[in-house]
Amino acid sequence: DAGVIQSPRHEVTEMGQEVTLRCKPISGHNSLFWYRQTMMRGLELLIYFNNNVPIDDSGMPEDRFSAKMPNASFSTLKIQPSEPRDSAVYFCASSFQVTYEQYFGPGTRLTVT
Amino acid sequence: SQELEQSPQSLIVQEGKNLTINCTSSKTLYGLYWYKQKYGEGLIFLMMLQKGGEEKSHEKITAKLDEKKQQSSLHITASQPSHAGIYLCGADINGGSQGNLIFGKGTKLSVKP
Repeated sequence: DAGVIQSPRHEVTEMGQEVTLRCKPISGHNSLFWYRQTMMRGLELLIYFNNNVPIDDSGMPEDRFSAKMPNASFSTLKIQPSEPRDSAVYFCASSFQVTYEQYFGPGTRLTVT
Repeated sequence: SQELEQSPQSLIVQEGKNLTINCTSSKTLYGLYWYKQKYGEGLIFLMMLQKGGEEKSHEKITAKLDEKKQQSSLHITASQPSHAGIYLCGADINGGSQGNLIFGKGTKLSVKP
């Protein structure tokens, strides 16, 4: 299996621009998670989906962040407008069921200048 | 406040030495997950523990969950340079059926050859 695929791997953008991060979960997994990792706050859950439905988005920082999962093989995390404090590594993870172990993608390193 | 505390924050050991990393919570851990992360990469799943007193081993790594399900330890026997990285514990502290994991800040392990 190819594992969880994320794109792009690196993104540098200017403040105010829209950023879209993409994720393809492992085939057959029905739960998908978006995380953000920073030195200060560590790894934080932003939102997760089960069977393409958002279950808990309480970790989404504010309205500038949105996530979608239009089908079982694709999800996006969008930031509009982006701000320098959004700079972090964003990880996508998937699991067979919500309570099973999660498998992480390689992450997208976002830098907002 | 950090609900999942890891100790130590960093560790430098000589190759061949044993070491232990701890993960502690004031709340019950419904599912405890150990991951390893190398710089610039995603998290690699190591082990999952669910039952009080449970112990699992994989190669030279052993993880335990205490009877009270509030502390877990990760023990590496005869460490090797390949064990170097950041070890993170993640846990569900909300009741066991949610998938909403929180993570510790990680323990950075360096192994001197």
